[in-house]
Amino acid sequence: NAGVMQNPRHLVRRRGQEARLRCSPVKGHSHVYWYRQLPEEGLKFMVYLQKENIIDESGMPKERFSAEFPKEGPSILRIQQVVRGDSAAYFCASSLPVGGAESAEAFFGQGTRLTVV
Amino acid sequence: SQKIEQNSEALNIQEGKTATLTCNYTNYSPAYLQWYRQDPGRGPVFLLLIRENEKEKRKERLKVTFDTTLKQSLFHITASQPADSATYLCALAGSGNTGKLIFGQGTTLQVKP
Repeated sequence: NAGVMQNPRHLVRRRGQEARLRCSPVKGHSHVYWYRQLPEEGLKFMVYLQKENIIDESGMPKERFSAEFPKEGPSILRIQQVVRGDSAAYFCASSLPVGGAESAEAFFGQGTRLTVV
Repeated sequence: SQKIEQNSEALNIQEGKTATLTCNYTNYSPAYLQWYRQDPGRGPVFLLLIRENEKEKRKERLKVTFDTTLKQSLFHITASQPADSATYLCALAGSGNTGKLIFGQGTTLQVKP
């Protein structure tokens, strides 16, 4: 029973290149979340997706960042024209549906550590 | 604006003692609160969830309390062990209960043998 799988674990990009981070949720989970963790800081919410829909992108920078969760395949977080400030650990989490009085634990992947040089 | 604060300084305790970590929040009324453990270079791992109408939750050596009047949660590890050394994160449910989590910055616990 595989957990959340993220790849790559480590990614090095030069300034101006594109970074693509992949996340396969726990089997049967339809909700995916992306978080960013800067050194010595807590996790910051970026975006919440369901299959083929972006539900909440309030934490996403307005430019250069995009996310998708297609009907088939993993969720992708894409960062265009990376800058040094994008260097961070990016975590994906998945959960069962939540809402109303329900709540669900989030299962996190091991993260992708992006380094921009 | 919503704010979550955890003990910013590392907590060092002796093996066998009880560790108590604090999570305070302001300008917020979460439906539930979660605690996670994070080891260096790894993703957070879920430990416990407590709902707004619950005062206390236990799981093995872990205990969480939730005081919505004080806007505070306490996380206790009894009979602590060196293997409990990690960073512990408090997380609140985002508005609308969509599953989005708002995390504190974490408290690093070091249990000395």
